[in-house]
Amino acid sequence: NAGVTQTPKFQVLKTGQSMTLQCAQDMNHEYMSWYRQDPGMGLRLIHYSVGAGITDQGEVPNGYNVSRSTTEDFPLRLLSAAPSQTSVYFCASSTLGQGGLAGYNEQFFGPGTRLTVL
Amino acid sequence: AQKVTQAQTEISVVEKEDVTLDCVYETRDTTYYLFWYKQPPSGELVFLIRRNSFDEQNEISGRYSWNFQKSTSSFNFTITASQVVDSAVYFCALRGIQGAQKLVFGQGTRLTINP
Repeated sequence: NAGVTQTPKFQVLKTGQSMTLQCAQDMNHEYMSWYRQDPGMGLRLIHYSVGAGITDQGEVPNGYNVSRSTTEDFPLRLLSAAPSQTSVYFCASSTLGQGGLAGYNEQFFGPGTRLTVL
Repeated sequence: AQKVTQAQTEISVVEKEDVTLDCVYETRDTTYYLFWYKQPPSGELVFLIRRNSFDEQNEISGRYSWNFQKSTSSFNFTITASQVVDSAVYFCALRGIQGAQKLVFGQGTRLTINP
């Protein structure tokens, strides 16, 4: 199993450009999510999904879009990049347990994408 | 609202010393889950341990141990006989059972073990 994979590993954008960060998992996990990591702030949830066709906003969703057409893939789109979106982005996945809750289940993280917006 | 506080931003010790990383959390949920992750210099997030709110048993895994105390809302992590390879940023995280079921992370503690 490859686990959770993310591409690209590094990306530099100019302000106003758009791009898609790719995330895929091969563990048949229902729950997938995107976090951003900024210095001194830990990781914060951007968007999440509990299954194909179902997505919802997290803590910091502005400027990002997601879709989930398959169980395996959960791309994150930056619509018009801004310097404030310079960050390290992590995709994560886990199974859902009883009652459709992620709860106690271990969340597996991808290796991260380091994005710089100039 | 849920919150995790790791008050120690950076800790530096000499190899073989014991070190404790503090984690204090806030939640109104009666059922919740606590996690510790390690982020080495390579940048990936490595899962270390998880605990549910009904299990206050302490856990020991080799040189690592965790002390969960609901009375003080703390889930502290101790490394015994630290090694240079333990140098990393360590995150404590909390997950409730409502809404997005997101992991709420603390700010992280950067641990440096000097030879």
